[in-house]
Amino acid sequence: KAGVTQTPRYLIKTRGQQVTLSCSPISGHRSVSWYQQTPGQGLQFLFEYFSETQRNKGNFPGRFSGRQFSNSRSEMNVSTLELGDSALYLCASSLEPAGSNTEAFFGQGTRLTVV
Amino acid sequence: QKEVEQNSGPLSVPEGAIASLNCTYSDRGSQSFFWYRQYSGKSPELIMFIYSNGDKEDGRFTAQLNKASQYVSLLIRDSQPSDSATYLCAAYNAGNMLTFGGGTRLMVKP
Repeated sequence: KAGVTQTPRYLIKTRGQQVTLSCSPISGHRSVSWYQQTPGQGLQFLFEYFSETQRNKGNFPGRFSGRQFSNSRSEMNVSTLELGDSALYLCASSLEPAGSNTEAFFGQGTRLTVV
Repeated sequence: QKEVEQNSGPLSVPEGAIASLNCTYSDRGSQSFFWYRQYSGKSPELIMFIYSNGDKEDGRFTAQLNKASQYVSLLIRDSQPSDSATYLCAAYNAGNMLTFGGGTRLMVKP
């Protein structure tokens, strides 16, 4: 069974540009959550999508947005990139919506560098 | 105060010893707790989860939960150099967001 697939693995962008990251969950999983990981802040929750609906959003500015398609694949978009957006972006998929007893499995991440 | 707190370490143990990793949480509404292992440059990998008070064993790993003290721990028996990694504790908060601690870096020395 294939795991969570994130593309691209590495990305270099210039300040002010926008970027779109993609995540394909484990087959059969309908929930996709996105996280940002930085050395200073650790792993921080961005948002969760289930059945094409955003269920939860973390404390990030509106420049961070996402969506989920009918096949459960999800995309995350960051507009007007800032240097501080440089991070490892991780997505995690789960069978059920995030909540008690839900196991989440991570993809390999997309390493975004903003220059 | 972060919702999930861990000592950043590094925690250094000799090969074959028991490594004890600890985590405290502030949201009394949290019901389930997860331990992830993350090797440098890699993504987090789920090791164990625990929902009930007490111990849960899986191979060399034992998770312990004490809801009254809001404390979760992970014991690794017979530690191996390959166990050297950062261990992340996570819990769902009342808003159903999986919240992570900062991680504890474990070093197992041969």
